[in-house]
Amino acid sequence: EAGVVQSPRYKIIEKKQPVAFWCNPISGHNTLYWYLQNLGQGPELLIRYENEEAVDDSQLPKDRFSAERLKGVDSTLKIQPAELGDSAVYLCASSPRASSYEQYFGPGTRLTVT
Amino acid sequence: SQQGEEDPQALSIQEGENATMNCSYKTSINNLQWYRQNSGRGLVHLILIRSNEREKHSGRLRVTLDTSKKSSSLLITASRAADTASYFCATALTGNQFYFGTGTSLTVIP
Repeated sequence: EAGVVQSPRYKIIEKKQPVAFWCNPISGHNTLYWYLQNLGQGPELLIRYENEEAVDDSQLPKDRFSAERLKGVDSTLKIQPAELGDSAVYLCASSPRASSYEQYFGPGTRLTVT
Repeated sequence: SQQGEEDPQALSIQEGENATMNCSYKTSINNLQWYRQNSGRGLVHLILIRSNEREKHSGRLRVTLDTSKKSSSLLITASRAADTASYFCATALTGNQFYFGTGTSLTVIP
């Protein structure tokens, strides 16, 4: 069974530039999560999807961050414009459904904003 | 802010020794999970313990949960060099909200 796929693995951009991350969850997983992980910290939830619906986006900085999960499969997280403080690892995770709790994580995208 | 706090922040032990790390949390939970993260990788689910359980085992892992103290511990027995990683607890609240702790960095010296 293929795991959660994320791309790119690494991204370096200048501040004020836009950036997008892509995630393809495990086939059949209805729940998809985007997390932000700063160095030496645990993941912090940005947004959770149930199929194509964003059911928890309370921690998503909506002035610059946006996400979509069209057709309830893969998802894209965008930052526009990026700021220096956005440098972090962006993790995507999926689970069969919200009530199953166990999450399967992708390898993450390491973003560096210069 | 994060719900869980792991203790210690870093732990270094010899191969074959046991490793114990603790997690404290702030509010009532539905369940608590432990994850491992190797350097530069995503997190891997290790074990889940529900709020009505007190102890759970999986291979060399033993997890305890004390809801009265709002704390959990993860014990790794007979540690191996391959256990070197960061370990995070994650608390699941009602409404499927998840909060990860700050993590314990474990180094197992061969």
